[in-house]
Amino acid sequence: EVQLVETGGGLIRPGGSLRLSCEVSGFTVRTSHMSWVRQAPGQGLEWVAVIYNVDTIHYGDSVRGRFTISRDNSKNTLYLQMNNLRTEDTAVYFCARDMGRSPKYYYYGMDVWGQGTTVTVSS
Amino acid sequence: DIQMTQSPSSVSASVGDSVTITCRASQNVNSNLAWYQQKPGKAPKLLIYAASGLQSGVPSRFSGSGSGTDFTLTIHSLQPEDFATYYCQQANSFPYTFGQGTKLEIK
Repeated sequence: EVQLVETGGGLIRPGGSLRLSCEVSGFTVRTSHMSWVRQAPGQGLEWVAVIYNVDTIHYGDSVRGRFTISRDNSKNTLYLQMNNLRTEDTAVYFCARDMGRSPKYYYYGMDVWGQGTTVTVSS
Repeated sequence: DIQMTQSPSSVSASVGDSVTITCRASQNVNSNLAWYQQKPGKAPKLLIYAASGLQSGVPSRFSGSGSGTDFTLTIHSLQPEDFATYYCQQANSFPYTFGQGTKLEIK
């Protein structure tokens, strides 16, 4: 069964650090593109970061320089290291498999999602 | 960054109705667009990829169209389980961006 399970969320003070994990089953993270998407309370979706199967990485503007996406192929797990956290980083964080784009400008979407893990940044 | 603007922000409809949601990109995104459905407390679900491709397992009453800057998601013959929030997302250039969402409510 294809499944993503996020862990690592919690309450953290501004300026602190947290590492989220996304344990993958049913497919191999090493050969997949993987994204993090977040959703602040009562708000819409915000794309955070992506790591491609060839290790190319991109970040959203609001997290670049503070967050780091990575994976451990031996554990089949995706990570999001979050440093210098701000109150505006408070959100539910989802990991998702990103099916990427074809050379003909066809994007295949994020087809498998975890249930999310909640991060609360507050003093 | 590419801005994605959805309209309307909310819409009320009845079971059996048809609804169309529009998504406009601030610049050309080709067909690098996806649509998602999200219900409260749940993860988003992929409905449409490549602007008009129906994701496996999604009912055929959902359809997408458009290319470039203007896109639509149409739901025919609304069912009770379709009342949710819908998001478009562009993946033509980084950073990827989502529309602000359209909440579909029961009239």
